[in-house]
Amino acid sequence: DAKTTQPNSMESNEEEPVHLPCNHSTISGTDYIHWYRQLPSQGPEYVIHGLTSNVNNRMASLAIAEDRKSSTLILHRATLRDAAVYYCIRGPGNTPLVFGKGTRLSVIA
Amino acid sequence: EAQVTQNPRYLITVTGKKLTVTCSQNMNHEYMSWYRQDPGLGLRQIYYSMNVEVTDKGDVPEGYKVSRKEKRNFPLILESPSPNQTSLYFCASRPPGPREQYFGPGTRLTVT
Repeated sequence: DAKTTQPNSMESNEEEPVHLPCNHSTISGTDYIHWYRQLPSQGPEYVIHGLTSNVNNRMASLAIAEDRKSSTLILHRATLRDAAVYYCIRGPGNTPLVFGKGTRLSVIA
Repeated sequence: EAQVTQNPRYLITVTGKKLTVTCSQNMNHEYMSWYRQDPGLGLRQIYYSMNVEVTDKGDVPEGYKVSRKEKRNFPLILESPSPNQTSLYFCASRPPGPREQYFGPGTRLTVT
């Protein structure tokens, strides 16, 4: 049970922002929201994580709803290299990460 | 360089022939996990370990064994492989807490 809901697929044009949604309506107060992505033929890689506040790093931004029941991963300018499966995961910090099926992002040149 | 290594990367074997996929990390991480990835099913956790000599089942542990005798190593053992264990396997490690998890490059296993 991945405990999050994501669209199966999304499409974006190159150099445009991408907003990847995730619903986690049963999130508990101690659950973090983690995002990972998996490029073709590679293992998953970490993107970002947060608890309550919005977070930014060099790869992306994470916007967390005030009620924490949903979040959005924002890629500010999609490149072809960002085409991947993006996984949204929720869980406390000290338990294994349970992955769902993720969102397959296609980037069109 | 911080990394998780897996061996072998590719393996074709026959039903019933015991095999071990090794996993090693050089980051002194407490947590280690094994996942399998199948088309349409995403990444599913097989076993995980929160420290040396501490292991627990994930979502799909049947047909697999693990051991954690040293912090850096977490081998996955298939005592009697079957064709339904044909899959792409990933090992991962991370420190405790909400920290970045590092994945190995994957092992593609085919059981005929």
